[in-house]
Amino acid sequence: DAGVTQSPTHLIKTRGQQVTLRCSPKSGHDTVSWYQQALGQGPQFIFQYYEEEERQRGNFPDRFSGHQFPNYSSELNVNALLLGDSALYLCASSFGTFRGNEQFFGPGTRLTVL
Amino acid sequence: LAKTTQPISMDSYEGQEVNITCSHNNIATNDYITWYQQFPSQGPRFIIQGYKTKVTNEVASLFIPADRKSSTLSLPRVSLSDTAVYYCLVGDIDSGGYQKVTFGIGTKLQVIP
Repeated sequence: DAGVTQSPTHLIKTRGQQVTLRCSPKSGHDTVSWYQQALGQGPQFIFQYYEEEERQRGNFPDRFSGHQFPNYSSELNVNALLLGDSALYLCASSFGTFRGNEQFFGPGTRLTVL
Repeated sequence: LAKTTQPISMDSYEGQEVNITCSHNNIATNDYITWYQQFPSQGPRFIIQGYKTKVTNEVASLFIPADRKSSTLSLPRVSLSDTAVYYCLVGDIDSGGYQKVTFGIGTKLQVIP
């Protein structure tokens, strides 16, 4: 089992550009959540996808959007990049409405906005 | 959302037992308590989860008092590889049954040789 995988590992963009990050959940998982982790901070919840729909959303602007595919993989899109978007973006997967917080996290994508 | 409070940092010598306490005064009846470990430039890793009393696995123990307003993660005989940030989270299940996980700033544990 490969666990949660994310691509790319690192990414450098300039302000105003758009970026797409990808995530493949752990085998058997159908729910994907995305988090932004700034340096020295805990991960902040962006949104969660289940059955190809956004189910929950954190306090992030509409510049952050996502998608989930029939195979449960997911994309995170960020438009009009700002310097403050520089962070580690984490994807986590879980199985449906599992009661509790056990999510499996990927290694993350390090995004640098110049 | 149930808010958690934990120490920002802790130091411990190798071989000692480490206890990290987390306060969650407004925990809801259906909330679970979960601890994650995170190494630099890696995603968080699940350590242990509990609802009440004591839970033990091969990695750690979790002690939860009867009022559930706090919890203590216990790491037995820590090694240098246990140096990491430890997050305490309280389960948040909304009316739709879906989950949001709210991370605080965590406790940075430094294990000293």
